Amino acid sequence: EDQVTQSPEALRLQEGESSSLNCSYTVSGLRGLFWYRQDPGKGPEFLFTLYSAGEEKEKERLKATLTKKESFLHITAPKPEDSATYLCAVQINFGNEKLTFGTGTRLTIIP
Amino acid sequence: DTGVSQNPRHKITKRGQNVTFRCDPISEHNRLYWYRQTLGQGPEFLTYFQNEAQLEKSRLLSDRFSAERPKGSFSTLEIQRTEQGDSAMYLCASSSQENTGELFFGEGSRLTVL
Repeated sequence: EDQVTQSPEALRLQEGESSSLNCSYTVSGLRGLFWYRQDPGKGPEFLFTLYSAGEEKEKERLKATLTKKESFLHITAPKPEDSATYLCAVQINFGNEKLTFGTGTRLTIIP
Repeated sequence: DTGVSQNPRHKITKRGQNVTFRCDPISEHNRLYWYRQTLGQGPEFLTYFQNEAQLEKSRLLSDRFSAERPKGSFSTLEIQRTEQGDSAMYLCASSSQENTGELFFGEGSRLTVL
């Protein structure tokens, strides 16, 4: 069965303290890996799509990378407004349109 | 605002009652998805539509759940004979046919079953 595991479950950082969130996956055939951000009481917001090992995407202070077994979301010099839950999701081979989400990493940036 | 719209945002009901949620997707998106999310968990897939056709349903979607998208525009999710275990956030999302992993989510409909 397809599995997505995110770690850590929660992470508290000082403003400006860089770190990484991990998403490991076990799937039958990866079609794409996706990162979303979710603020409390809101729906998830799309951040990145990664399709193949070695691929990297960047947006402001965030950079997502992908290997054959895991993905990392690197946060450089975070600000308090980066506080949110970050969700990783996978989509397997064509013909199956659902996303399988991990449980997320709850990130808190302390001013 | 041209994002995904969901109504109602909150619904409190008694066990055994029926509830219906509505989702209005982004107008140019032909794919529409329903997910369910409980506290501390990621969203779980329930079902999806391409235009008016319901193409995939999760095993999570018991016989008490039914979803429709009658004209390929808005969608409804009905839960009959609600149970306390149905309490969750029900999220609707839409996407284009070309980027089916890039979902645009609504703000969700939170259901509390007493």
